[in-house]
Amino acid sequence: NAGVTQTPKFQVLKTGQSMTLQCAQDMNHNSMYWYRQDPGMGLRLIYYSASEGTTDKGEVPNGYNVSRLNKREFSLRLESAAPSQTSVYFCASSEGQGTGYGYTFGSGTRLTVV
Amino acid sequence: DAKTTQPNSMESNEEEPVHLPCNHSTISGTDYIHWYRQLPSQGPEYVIHGLTSNVNNRMASLAIAEDRKSSTLILHRATLRDAAVYYCILRDEYNAGNMLTFGGGTRLMVKP
Repeated sequence: NAGVTQTPKFQVLKTGQSMTLQCAQDMNHNSMYWYRQDPGMGLRLIYYSASEGTTDKGEVPNGYNVSRLNKREFSLRLESAAPSQTSVYFCASSEGQGTGYGYTFGSGTRLTVV
Repeated sequence: DAKTTQPNSMESNEEEPVHLPCNHSTISGTDYIHWYRQLPSQGPEYVIHGLTSNVNNRMASLAIAEDRKSSTLILHRATLRDAAVYYCILRDEYNAGNMLTFGGGTRLMVKP
């Protein structure tokens, strides 16, 4: 089915380890986003990419880096994981930036940092 | 940024209509009202959005007050699958950095 695919679905890291969360969409969308959701909370924007070749910080970018590899793929990297980064990470995409464009979300990556 | 206020939780019986309220008294003229929902252990999914007029789609209806300071998401016949957290979100058409910003939402419980 068309949509947003995230890998891995689950991951446990030790403090200080690094990893990259992968996201790919097959809807030819221009914009892509990374959110995190802590238990019982709403989603918070980490980084976004309005179009291929551009990335910008969101509300909570510290401790993360991103790469818009091509139009389809947008990865999120944790260089030195910390317990405070334990969360569920969602990738999303939209056709454009205007308010008329809905977001399509992936099913999430559950990350635990011990 | 304009904020929204939603009840923390609501209950409904299966096959009955559900009215989910949202207050946004500081809404600006260029803010669109968006609704998303998040089923357990899933990412959010788009439900509906509107500016001034009421809107209908296959999932729900959106009723917007004449002064736009409140809106109501209407599920015409709740099913068990509609149990989710529903988020009411304002997005400014003319704010170049207007990303989707989630609040706490309303947790809808549907009883068989």
